[in-house]
Amino acid sequence: DQQVKQNSPSLSVQEGRISILNCDYTNSMFDYFLWYKKYPAEGPTFLISISSIKDKNEDGRFTVFLNKSAKHLSLHIVPSQPGDSAVYFCAASADTNAGKSTFGDGTTLTVKP
Amino acid sequence: DAGVTQSPTHLIKTRGQHVTLRCSPISGHKSVSWYQQVLGQGPQFIFQYYEKEERGRGNFPDRFSARQFPNYSSELNVNALLLGDSALYLCASSLGVMNTEAFFGQGTRLTVV
Repeated sequence: DQQVKQNSPSLSVQEGRISILNCDYTNSMFDYFLWYKKYPAEGPTFLISISSIKDKNEDGRFTVFLNKSAKHLSLHIVPSQPGDSAVYFCAASADTNAGKSTFGDGTTLTVKP
Repeated sequence: DAGVTQSPTHLIKTRGQHVTLRCSPISGHKSVSWYQQVLGQGPQFIFQYYEKEERGRGNFPDRFSARQFPNYSSELNVNALLLGDSALYLCASSLGVMNTEAFFGQGTRLTVV
């Protein structure tokens, strides 16, 4: 049973608009959530994270929202840029151990000029 | 500063053979984690090592083993290779086991024929 799910394999948005990527989890022990961005032939790159004691974290154009009761988080990118086109992975960990994370299968974001 | 380095970048092996993958963490990082990423899926946790001790193991058979050396570099060993072991193997390093960031290498692409 997959503990972290990204139900949208792909998303296409226009440059300048908002991109919203969603993620659901099932394990109540998860207390730390991360988003990674991955380009082909590279390893995942950390993007933004959120602790379970918060419901929002913002870093420039990127904002992550956490709804613990619904076991749902989302990543908002505003405004979207063509360079944001990549695969985005949602990950979750227990005991704030980012090195031992459970990943979703990713969402491929395409930002069209 | 050097990031996480993995070697080799690509590898082709025959079924039944053994393989050793290597990882050097970021200087000062004492935790190394290994992940397997099969095409179309997210990275799946294999092992975490901290201060040369195993601190976590994912749902992988005993054919998979790892170790960490005094300089904090690590090796992942896979015995009796199967076609299904073909994947991208990712190494991530972090300062410790309660840290909010993990940094990934570019991965080793293993093909089993």
